[in-house]
Amino acid sequence: GNSVTQMEGPVTLSEEAFLTINCTYTATGYPSLFWYVQYPGEGLQLLLKATKADDKGSNKGFEATYRKETTSFHLEKGSVQVSDSAVYFCALSDRGSYIPTFGRGTSLIVHP
Amino acid sequence: GAVVSQHPSWVICKSGTSVKIECRSLDFQATTMFWYRQFPKQSLMLMATSNEGSKATYEQGVEKDKFLINHASLTLSTLTVTSAHPEDSSFYICSASSGGGAGDTQYFGPGTRLTVL
Repeated sequence: GNSVTQMEGPVTLSEEAFLTINCTYTATGYPSLFWYVQYPGEGLQLLLKATKADDKGSNKGFEATYRKETTSFHLEKGSVQVSDSAVYFCALSDRGSYIPTFGRGTSLIVHP
Repeated sequence: GAVVSQHPSWVICKSGTSVKIECRSLDFQATTMFWYRQFPKQSLMLMATSNEGSKATYEQGVEKDKFLINHASLTLSTLTVTSAHPEDSSFYICSASSGGGAGDTQYFGPGTRLTVL
């Protein structure tokens, strides 16, 4: 079956540091890949997505590249801000299935 | 675009009562809606998938008689927690997809925090 594995958190960084949150997946078909962000007390917001191999999703300074050869979709940002503190979820949606699959989430804490 | 709302945002009820949570897609037609439950500091647990006009498909271990889901129109799905108990206290999140679900982006509501006393 499909699965998503994320690095365990929390990830704690100082403001302006470089961020990487690792995400790898297994899927039987050709999935679309997503990163969602959840701020405290809120629902999930779509951060970025990629629908095929080598696509790069980007938004608000965050980027992730769909790597089929390594089955990865790592999230990166060059310079984090305190306002980026949240929980980040990697997810996939397989065209062969209506059921989405989420990773466990990675908490990011950014200190001033 | 692609806004999903939930109502209420939080609710406190007594044990044994029923609570209804609404999920609406405001600016698109949602062919498929999903209901999730999230425990503190944990990932989302998919409870059920609903398609407009048909019965919801529940995940294994989710009691369909306790968590009633109705997807009456392309913009509205409701989750009713019947005879709620304290262990039902949780954060419930819905999401909606416009393209039929498979491989498509989901748009999430802001969530409903249910506390059962």
